[in-house]
Amino acid sequence: AVQLVESGGGLVQPGKSLKLSCSASGFTFSSYGMHWIRQAPGKGLDWVAYISSSSGTVYADAVKERFTISRDNAKNTLYLQLNSLKSEDTAIYYCARQSRRVMDAWGQGASVTVSS
Amino acid sequence: DVLMTQTPVSLPVSLGGQVSISCRSSQSLVHSDGNTYLHWYLQKPGQSPQLLIYRVSNRFSGVPDRFSGSGSGTDFTLKISRVEPEDLGVYYCLQSTHFPNTFGAGTKLELK
Repeated sequence: AVQLVESGGGLVQPGKSLKLSCSASGFTFSSYGMHWIRQAPGKGLDWVAYISSSSGTVYADAVKERFTISRDNAKNTLYLQLNSLKSEDTAIYYCARQSRRVMDAWGQGASVTVSS
Repeated sequence: DVLMTQTPVSLPVSLGGQVSISCRSSQSLVHSDGNTYLHWYLQKPGQSPQLLIYRVSNRFSGVPDRFSGSGSGTDFTLKISRVEPEDLGVYYCLQSTHFPNTFGAGTKLELK
């Protein structure tokens, strides 16, 4: 079965950095594009970033220049490097698999809290 | 960015009843490849979103036929018939025709 497991979340001070990981199993990771989506407490879903199977990347304007999405196909792992964190980046961060332009599988999420 | 307007925000329902959720986009969701990339998700309390309907009207694996999607262009609808307790939660529409992908604000389905 397809499984996505996020890790690396936690409490971090404003201006600091954090790196999230998403470990994939149950499918050929290298063949799929992957997304990061976040959800602020009590709010809706916001798309953050996308990386294609060939490692092309796209970012939401709110995180461009601060966040970096990457992948290691040998480790079946997706990453999101979060730099210069702000309080408004506080959210649960989900990774999701893209299949034919559909986010068809999601992880359980990693919680990031930005606070002094 | 494509704005997705989802209504209503809250939707009280009786078990066994039928409801509809609307999602309208600020521009056409017809892709140059001819497909319309409008999808529906359910987020149950404390869980991650799960795919229900993809490309307007296709039920994802394991989704019961009580769920149906319809629409075209900029106007889309999710219908749920014979509502069951496990259907409660927040429903989101998502467009992936245009980058950035954008979600509707959500519709909370709750018991009347």
